[in-house]
Amino acid sequence: GDSVTQMEGPVTLSEEAFLTINCTYTATGYPSLFWYVQYPGEGLQLLLKATKADDKGSNKGFEATYRKETTSFHLEKGSVQVSDSAVYFCALRLMEYGNKLVFGAGTILRVKS
Amino acid sequence: NAGVTQTPKFQVLKTGQSMTLQCAQDMNHNSMYWYRQDPGMGLRLIYYSASEGTTDKGEVPNGYNVSRLNKREFSLRLESAAPSQTSVYFCASSEGTGAYEKLFFGSGTQLSVL
Repeated sequence: GDSVTQMEGPVTLSEEAFLTINCTYTATGYPSLFWYVQYPGEGLQLLLKATKADDKGSNKGFEATYRKETTSFHLEKGSVQVSDSAVYFCALRLMEYGNKLVFGAGTILRVKS
Repeated sequence: NAGVTQTPKFQVLKTGQSMTLQCAQDMNHNSMYWYRQDPGMGLRLIYYSASEGTTDKGEVPNGYNVSRLNKREFSLRLESAAPSQTSVYFCASSEGTGAYEKLFFGSGTQLSVL
């Protein structure tokens, strides 16, 4: 079935380090891909999205490129800050169930000063 | 600018008790959703409402019922709570159900069933 696999966390980095969170997917057809972020005590917020192959989504210094050949959508940031500490969810959107989002398990990011 | 508001924020139930989680959005969105979040499993869709007057099952609907009371409000009911329903519940809304739609989430309800 359609699914999203993310790297397990927690990922612990020092401030200004480079971040990569891996995400791969399995889907029939051509899904849209998303990264959502959940800050402590809050609901999820859309971070970025890409709707077709080779699209690059970007926001707040984060980037992810839709790679159809490797079925991946890895999240990157060149220099993380303490305020980036959160849980990051990769997701794809399917036609089934009213275009529902299928989420990965989430990756906890902890950034130390 | 409230967005999506969920009540209550925390709830403890005994097995067999019933309760209703409330959700309201003030963005005039057509579509609303209920998800549950469990450790290591991400979010899973319980029910959704593509538009006012319609509701449909998601991935994990068993043990739940929903009501789309009006365009703003979408409630989730547990008729007879079970420990397996201990989870964090999120309500979300979007303008529609298109493939590129952005979802807006509430801050969640942490439910424990003893």
